Amino acid sequence: QKEVEQNSGPLSVPEGAIASLNCTYSDRGSQSFFWYRQYSGKSPELIMFIYSNGDKEDGRFTAQLNKASQYVSLLIRDSQPSDSATYLCAVKDSNYQLIWGAGTKLIIKP
Amino acid sequence: GAVVSQHPSRVICKSGTSVKIECRSLDFQATTMFWYRQFPKQSLMLMATSNEGSKATYEQGVEKDKFLINHASLTLSTLTVTSAHPEDSSFYICSAVRGGVNTEAFFGQGTRLTVV
Repeated sequence: QKEVEQNSGPLSVPEGAIASLNCTYSDRGSQSFFWYRQYSGKSPELIMFIYSNGDKEDGRFTAQLNKASQYVSLLIRDSQPSDSATYLCAVKDSNYQLIWGAGTKLIIKP
Repeated sequence: GAVVSQHPSRVICKSGTSVKIECRSLDFQATTMFWYRQFPKQSLMLMATSNEGSKATYEQGVEKDKFLINHASLTLSTLTVTSAHPEDSSFYICSAVRGGVNTEAFFGQGTRLTVV
């Protein structure tokens, strides 16, 4: 069974610090990787996607992909209280199926 | 990003009745649409995957006769909860994907269903 695993948290980070969210996946043939943010009672919204090994930066967000280790992470710099949400990792596997992690709850403390 | 519209956003229905939820991709053709259910403080649970013009593929444990999915066109998929019961009360979310490998999923706003 193909899996995407995330620590459920909650992960508590002080305001202004860097929040680091991690995700591992089991299918070595996975093609593309997505990070979504979901506020309570709302639908997920796409933050970033990454296809190639290395880092991809967009504003305060950096996605990191290491296909050899089957690991993808999301860094949030200068964390704000408004970043408090559940962060979902999604992986498109070798069959082009989108597999979801269970999500990590992030709490930014003022 | 692309826009996916889900309607209604909130519905309350009586036990035993049926409820239809619509999911439309407004500015792209969605080759695949997904239907999820989410209970409070829990993760997304995939219910079914639908491809335009073919029968939906349901996840294990999801009753296909209870949750009817129709994907009649490349821009519209519907989920009908038949003979709803209070335990069907949940947050239902659709997402749509364009064709291709490296394409992300776009989500509708979700539908909060309450069965009384």
